Amino acid sequence: GDSVTQMEGPVTLSEEAFLTINCTYTATGYPSLFWYVQYPGEGLQLLLKATKADDKGSNKGFEATYRKETTSFHLEKGSVQVSDSAVYFCALSGAGANSKLTFGKGITLSVRP
Amino acid sequence: GAVVSQHPSRVICKSGTSVKIECRSLDFQATTMFWYRQFPKQSLMLMATSNEGSKATYEQGVEKDKFLINHASLTLSTLTVTSAHPEDSSFYICSARDVSASGNQFFGPGTRLTVL
Repeated sequence: GDSVTQMEGPVTLSEEAFLTINCTYTATGYPSLFWYVQYPGEGLQLLLKATKADDKGSNKGFEATYRKETTSFHLEKGSVQVSDSAVYFCALSGAGANSKLTFGKGITLSVRP
Repeated sequence: GAVVSQHPSRVICKSGTSVKIECRSLDFQATTMFWYRQFPKQSLMLMATSNEGSKATYEQGVEKDKFLINHASLTLSTLTVTSAHPEDSSFYICSARDVSASGNQFFGPGTRLTVL
């Protein structure tokens, strides 16, 4: 079945550091890929997504590129801020309106001033 | 953006009692809602898919008689944990899929259930 693997956390960075959070997936067909973010005390929010190979999703300075050849969707940001401290989930869904989301374990990012 | 609320945000109950959790889409209609369970430092595990006006579809290993799901309207789904036991203690999260063309899924803030 479909699965998503995220790098182990937690991750602690200083403000303005470069961020990479790895995500790889296993799926049949051509899934859509997502990054969700969960800020403390809040629900998951869609951060960005990509629906086909070589697409780049971007939002709030974060980027991720759908790499079919390496089955990866790594999240990057050039300069993190304290406000980026949250839990980040990589996810995929299959084709079709009724497809389900499959999540990775999530990784906690802490950014110190 | 679209908002999904959950109530209560946290609940503590005695073993053997039943607990109902509500999930509401506040500014959009959702024909499909999803219920997830999240253990500490674990991923969100899909429990069931709830479709308005029909029976929920449960994932393998989830007891439908223990986790009752009702999706009576386009803005409300409820999850009832019946005869709760300490092993049911967890974080329960719902999400709602917008019926519009975007089809995006929006998540509630979650409900922390503790069974004593």
